[in-house]
Amino acid sequence: GAVVSQHPSRVICKSGTSVKIECRSLDFQATTMFWYRQFPKQSLMLMATSNEGSKATYEQGVEKDKFLINHASLTLSTLTVTSAHPEDSSFYICSALTSGEFNEQFFGPGTRLTVL
Amino acid sequence: SQKIEQNSEALNIQEGKTATLTCNYTNYSPAYLQWYRQDPGRGPVFLLLIRENEKEKRKERLKVTFDTTLKQSLFHITASQPADSATYLCASKSYSSASKIIFGSGTRLSIRP
Repeated sequence: GAVVSQHPSRVICKSGTSVKIECRSLDFQATTMFWYRQFPKQSLMLMATSNEGSKATYEQGVEKDKFLINHASLTLSTLTVTSAHPEDSSFYICSALTSGEFNEQFFGPGTRLTVL
Repeated sequence: SQKIEQNSEALNIQEGKTATLTCNYTNYSPAYLQWYRQDPGRGPVFLLLIRENEKEKRKERLKVTFDTTLKQSLFHITASQPADSATYLCASKSYSSASKIIFGSGTRLSIRP
């Protein structure tokens, strides 16, 4: 099956710093990737849709200036959490959309962000 | 608005029994439903997809049903094992976007030896 990687898997940073998370599709090209956030014991909440070569589409309530998304190639999307604060601490997961009929998404292993 | 609900937050069953998880949808008619498994601290892993015109689909010890009258999908794990313990998520295509999917809140399944 398709493989999606995320880096780093875990990051701890001080409040006010920016953190970049990478999402890569390893064996297929993905024109569309998604970024989710998941709080403990809750489901995945879609933050934004990352489109290769164009601007990301953000869900309602998600600040685009705080969560910068860059989908520079068909295998890489990055999420930068700018000026991170403790309330940004969460589990961030990306997925890559396959080209099939049923929108099957392959998920990365997730990145645990802790802001002190 | 479109909703997917998994009513059981947690389910505990004895090893060897069949685990049955429920997913209900309201205010729309999905063309398909997906089921994912998520282990703690990991991303979800796709398990099965069932289309609206399919009543049942199987994969090894897994079985999924789709009842459009009840607006419900059931996910069964037969001969359950402790290794099946995980959170299981139901998902469906968002009616507002061709590519987005929305997830239910998940059911945390625990299989005790």
